[in-house]
Amino acid sequence: AQTVTQSQPEMSVQEAETVTLSCTYDTSESDYYLFWYKQPPSRQMILVIRQEAYKQQNATENRFSVNFQKAAKSFSLKISDSQLGDAAMYFCAYRQAGGSRLTFGEGTQLTVNP
Amino acid sequence: EADIYQTPRYLVIGTGKKITLECSQTMGHDKMYWYQQDPGMELHLIHYSYGVNSTEKGDLSSESTVSRIRTEHFPLTLESARPSHTSQYLCASSDSRTGINSPLHFGNGTRLTVT
Repeated sequence: AQTVTQSQPEMSVQEAETVTLSCTYDTSESDYYLFWYKQPPSRQMILVIRQEAYKQQNATENRFSVNFQKAAKSFSLKISDSQLGDAAMYFCAYRQAGGSRLTFGEGTQLTVNP
Repeated sequence: EADIYQTPRYLVIGTGKKITLECSQTMGHDKMYWYQQDPGMELHLIHYSYGVNSTEKGDLSSESTVSRIRTEHFPLTLESARPSHTSQYLCASSDSRTGINSPLHFGNGTRLTVT
């Protein structure tokens, strides 16, 4: 069974600084998809960024980028120029290719300090 | 702006009551999901549906049931609520037509407290 692990329950960053959230996963599959979701307090969970395992190039969405290390089964999220609105719980998630079910990590609570 | 709606947003109910958590989406997505999430914890899949009249149990055992009579509607029912059911319930949907890596769209969640 696939598992997703986020080893940092809480992280904090100063506004305008850069922070990296860690995620590792375990799978025997070679083709899969990885996602980072953001859940602000009392608000809707939204997709931040996604990565296809067969693509070597790391995904980037504006200030958000990933460091995907397939051999190490690592998928970290880098947030550059952190903003107060980035404060949220961040979830790493895995989906097997051809499947629909997402496996989520435990989440990392990110605090952005002004 | 949310295209997937959950009601109620908050619910406090006594033990033994029957409750239905509503979830509707206006995006025409074929796949829908229910997740259970305790505060600050990971999400656990409890039910999912690939389309009308298709429902499956998820990874986490749940005493709830679901139905999918219409594409846009995926209600979750607890026949007899217990304090152990106190949690947040998140509904989500996805569209298989957009590709196999289609992301989930989440509702705002229902925070259930059973006293």
